Amino acid sequence: AQRVTQPEKLLSVFKGAPVELKCNYSYSGSPELFWYVQYSRQRLQLLLRHISRESIKGFTADLNKGETSFHLKKPFAQEEDSAMYYCALSNAGGTSYGKLTFGQGTILTVHP
Amino acid sequence: DTEVTQTPKHLVMGMTNKKSLKCEQHMGHRAMYWYKQKAKKPPELMFVYSYEKLSINESVPSRFSPECPNSSLLNLHLHALQPEDSALYLCASSQVGGKSNNEQFFGPGTRLTVL
Repeated sequence: AQRVTQPEKLLSVFKGAPVELKCNYSYSGSPELFWYVQYSRQRLQLLLRHISRESIKGFTADLNKGETSFHLKKPFAQEEDSAMYYCALSNAGGTSYGKLTFGQGTILTVHP
Repeated sequence: DTEVTQTPKHLVMGMTNKKSLKCEQHMGHRAMYWYKQKAKKPPELMFVYSYEKLSINESVPSRFSPECPNSSLLNLHLHALQPEDSALYLCASSQVGGKSNNEQFFGPGTRLTVL
């Protein structure tokens, strides 16, 4: 069975401070990990995925298979980063669609 | 067109009504999904269609009936719902196969209230 754990329901930081949203997973195969973001009154959208290893809006995330973690980091938080963040795991191989399992989400609030 | 659209945005229905939710995408994606999302909770997968065939049914009650009439459209037919079925219903789509097959694009959702 696949499982995603986000230990923090709420995270508050001040503008300009570093932020780290934690994500741990359990999966027996080779997972694909994502971070999705849901801003207030907007649709759920992909923030980044581990295989692309890119930085979006200043956020990065590194897959640590030893610790089974995929923490999301940003060195200097901005007020517009305030949103709900979901870590998600897909069990798909390269030949089929993916069944996404979401963590419970972390609400990030960045104070001015 | 790089968006998933859903209609209606809001729906209020009684427990004896029959209604349908609609989802459309024109990105050439051949996998489409229905999720249910309660407030401040993650989306929960309900159904997956791959090449217009139902591939996954996550033990959803039969009062929810999905339909995929073609590769661009996905419907969710609702009948005899319960108040606890009130939620945001999300549609998503993705490619099938290849490295980007796992990236799902979500619609804005239909906010359903069952009275």
